[in-house]
Amino acid sequence: GAVVSQHPSRVICKSGTSVKIECRSLDFQATTMFWYRQFPKQSLMLMATSNEGSKATYEQGVEKDKFLINHASLTLSTLTVTSAHPEDSSFYICSAAWGQETQYFGPGTRLLVL
Amino acid sequence: AQSVTQLDSHVSVSEGTPVLLRCNYSSSYSPSLFWYVQHPNKGLQLLLKYTSAATLVKGINGFEAEFKKSETSFHLTKPSAHMSDAAEYFCVVMGGFQKLVFGTGTRLLVSP
Repeated sequence: GAVVSQHPSRVICKSGTSVKIECRSLDFQATTMFWYRQFPKQSLMLMATSNEGSKATYEQGVEKDKFLINHASLTLSTLTVTSAHPEDSSFYICSAAWGQETQYFGPGTRLLVL
Repeated sequence: AQSVTQLDSHVSVSEGTPVLLRCNYSSSYSPSLFWYVQHPNKGLQLLLKYTSAATLVKGINGFEAEFKKSETSFHLTKPSAHMSDAAEYFCVVMGGFQKLVFGTGTRLLVSP
């Protein structure tokens, strides 16, 4: 299957700082990228959908000013958690898809906010 | 709206015995259904997908799933469990705009 990478794999930051997570599709061009959040021992919840070159569409209850998503190219999307707080600590996973095809998931980024 | 229900939060089997992970779906139209596996601290790997072709879908690592419209089910099976199968399994349905809706997950435990 296609390869999607995320960087960093793990990040620890202080409360009030911002953290940027990168998601890259390594061997295909992703017209759409998705960002999910997974709390411990829970399922994945979709946060937002981003299409290359346009604004992201956020799910209900997700603050767009807190979780900034940029999808500037067909191989890169970024999620920036602004003014992070301990309750933002979670496992963030991205996925990438070409058209209506299968989504391929990245390995995830574990964020810990102290 | 599309949804899936995974009936068991945990399933325990012995190595070499069959695996059955249950999933029921709810959809107002013919659904696209998936099973993903997640190993600890890893991303998700697609096991198999159903997209209205053959009702019996074969996936990777010996897994398969059968789409049963009359029962609104899409259970995942494997004839013989391996220790490396221990992981979290998610049943997923595709909603509108390619959005994936995840079940709550089933943790498969495999004992020697």
